[in-house]
Amino acid sequence: GDSVTQMEGPVTLSEEAFLTINCTYTATGYPSLFWYVQYPGEGLQLLLKATKADDKGSNKGFEATYRKETTSFHLEKGSVQVSDSAVYFCALLDYKLSFGAGTTVTVRA
Amino acid sequence: DAGVTQSPTHLIKTRGQQVTLRCSPISGHKSVSWYQQVLGQGPQFIFQYYEKEERGRGNFPDRFSARQFPNYSSELNVNALLLGDSALYLCASSLVAQLTLNTEAFFGQGTRLTVV
Repeated sequence: GDSVTQMEGPVTLSEEAFLTINCTYTATGYPSLFWYVQYPGEGLQLLLKATKADDKGSNKGFEATYRKETTSFHLEKGSVQVSDSAVYFCALLDYKLSFGAGTTVTVRA
Repeated sequence: DAGVTQSPTHLIKTRGQQVTLRCSPISGHKSVSWYQQVLGQGPQFIFQYYEKEERGRGNFPDRFSARQFPNYSSELNVNALLLGDSALYLCASSLVAQLTLNTEAFFGQGTRLTVV
């Protein structure tokens, strides 16, 4: 079945550092791809999304590009802040959301 | 506007017991989905209900069941609890059954179930 694999954490960064979280997917068709974020003590929030090849999703300084040739949807942010500390999940959509295992990101001041 | 609300927020049960978790979707949303998030893993799809009918089921045993009420709220029931059922149970609501780029799923904060 369709599945998502994302880089394992935890990831610890200093403020203003560059963040990349790798995500690759396996799917029979061309699913929509998402990044969700889970802040401490909160539920999942949609961070960004892309529906077709070469689409770039962006939000709050985060970006991810849907790469069909490499079946990837890597998340990037050029300058992280302490408030970006959270767990990040890559997900794909067929009739349901299929999530990766999550990557815990800690940003230190 | 109220978001997706789940109750209770935390729950401790003993092995073999039964548990009922509740979810109220965002007003106007007719679809509710349930996910299990075991510590250190991503959420796993359990059920989707739309207009009170089951529209999808994940790879979970028959001990897991759910239903949706006329007001679109939903309950997830788990019988004969096992230690491995300890997890965060998330409810998500959406306007329609088929999620697309323009029909986002909104998640509640979850119910933390601990089985001892």
